Amino acid sequence: SQKIEQNSEALNIQEGKTATLTCNYTNYSPAYLQWYRQDPGRGPVFLLLIRENEKEKRKERLKVTFDTTLKQSLFHITASQPADSATYLCALAPYSSASKIIFGSGTRLSIRP
Amino acid sequence: EPEVTQTPSHQVTQMGQEVILRCVPISNHLYFYWYRQILGQKVEFLVSFYNNEISEKSEIFDDQFSVERPDGSNFTLKIRSTKLEDSAMYFCASSVGLAGVDTQYFGPGTRLTVL
Repeated sequence: SQKIEQNSEALNIQEGKTATLTCNYTNYSPAYLQWYRQDPGRGPVFLLLIRENEKEKRKERLKVTFDTTLKQSLFHITASQPADSATYLCALAPYSSASKIIFGSGTRLSIRP
Repeated sequence: EPEVTQTPSHQVTQMGQEVILRCVPISNHLYFYWYRQILGQKVEFLVSFYNNEISEKSEIFDDQFSVERPDGSNFTLKIRSTKLEDSAMYFCASSVGLAGVDTQYFGPGTRLTVL
């Protein structure tokens, strides 16, 4: 069956360190992979999109990698700040249904001062 | 900055009643979506809508659900006969292009409580 797994339910790191979140998928052929941020009681906020032919994408302190051989994406936040504390969601858009986004369950990131 | 709006923010209803959740997508967007998130669980795709018809729908989106774009600005989700398990946060989203390839903007959500 198709699965998207974000390997940590929660991650707690010290301010200033790099946070690395993992997204693994099985039985999908995603054309695109996205990362979102969700704060409690709020809707997801789009952060980055990476295409299957891209290995890496950067936006300010954020970096995403996409390895279609390993079926894995890594999401990095460098120089983390307490304001980065939130739940981060991985999402896939398969080739067959590019308007149907499938979300992972998320990783709750806490940055302690 | 343009944003997706949703009303009401919280809807309480009795089991078996019909509810309509309303959304105003961003004005130049062409693709519209509904998602739901049961408390503590993942965001789940319900339906996508383009050019006045459903593009994709999930297994959750059964005959109890329907969507409509009644005018040039609103996008609604109707649940005909609510069940307890329909209690969730419902998010509307919109995008210029397909959500898989373009930025998808989410609204603040409507919390639906079915008693």
